[in-house]
Amino acid sequence: AQSVTQPDIHITVSEGASLELRCNYSYGATPYLFWYVQSPGQGLQLLLKYFSGDTLVQGIKGFEAEFKRSQSSFNLRKPSVHWSDAAEYFCAVKGGATNKLIFGTGTLLAVQP
Amino acid sequence: GAGVSQSPSNKVTEKGKDVELRCDPISGHTALYWYRQSLGQGLEFLIYFQGNSAPDKSGLPSDRFSAERTGGSVSTLTIQRTQQEDSAVYLCASSRRAANNEQFFGPGTRLTVL
Repeated sequence: AQSVTQPDIHITVSEGASLELRCNYSYGATPYLFWYVQSPGQGLQLLLKYFSGDTLVQGIKGFEAEFKRSQSSFNLRKPSVHWSDAAEYFCAVKGGATNKLIFGTGTLLAVQP
Repeated sequence: GAGVSQSPSNKVTEKGKDVELRCDPISGHTALYWYRQSLGQGLEFLIYFQGNSAPDKSGLPSDRFSAERTGGSVSTLTIQRTQQEDSAVYLCASSRRAANNEQFFGPGTRLTVL
């Protein structure tokens, strides 16, 4: 069965520092992978997605992610974090014929001044 | 254009009561999804509608949960005889038909069962 693992529940970084959020997936075929962000009291906003092609994908707000099939990973990165990036981040894989999303448990990002 | 809207934004109910949650998808989106976000279970899929096809109900946690989508647009999620464990944020999403299309999420309905 498909699954997504986000091993880090909480991460704290200083403003201006680089960021990497980890995501590992389990899926039999070529996965469709997503990163969503959720700010407090808000719905989910798509940061970026991978379907095929270039394994390094660019998203909104300066985020990027790299698909590594050999490691079953899709880690999210940002070179310089801003205070407004504090939120919860969810990795997801689209599974099955119904296209439902299977989410990881999320990583809560705190940004220190 | 308008995004996915959900109502009410908050709902407080007593155990044993029925509740209805509404979702208005983005115009032209044929696929509609319901998810539930709770502290203990994270984000989990509930049900999926695609056009006139039979819905995928595989994520509904019990027969107290049901959903319908009228006219291929608005959807209502109904929870009968609510229990405290039903307390969660219920999120609706919609997308275009193709498999690689992004799901756009609404702001959610926060349900509290006392």
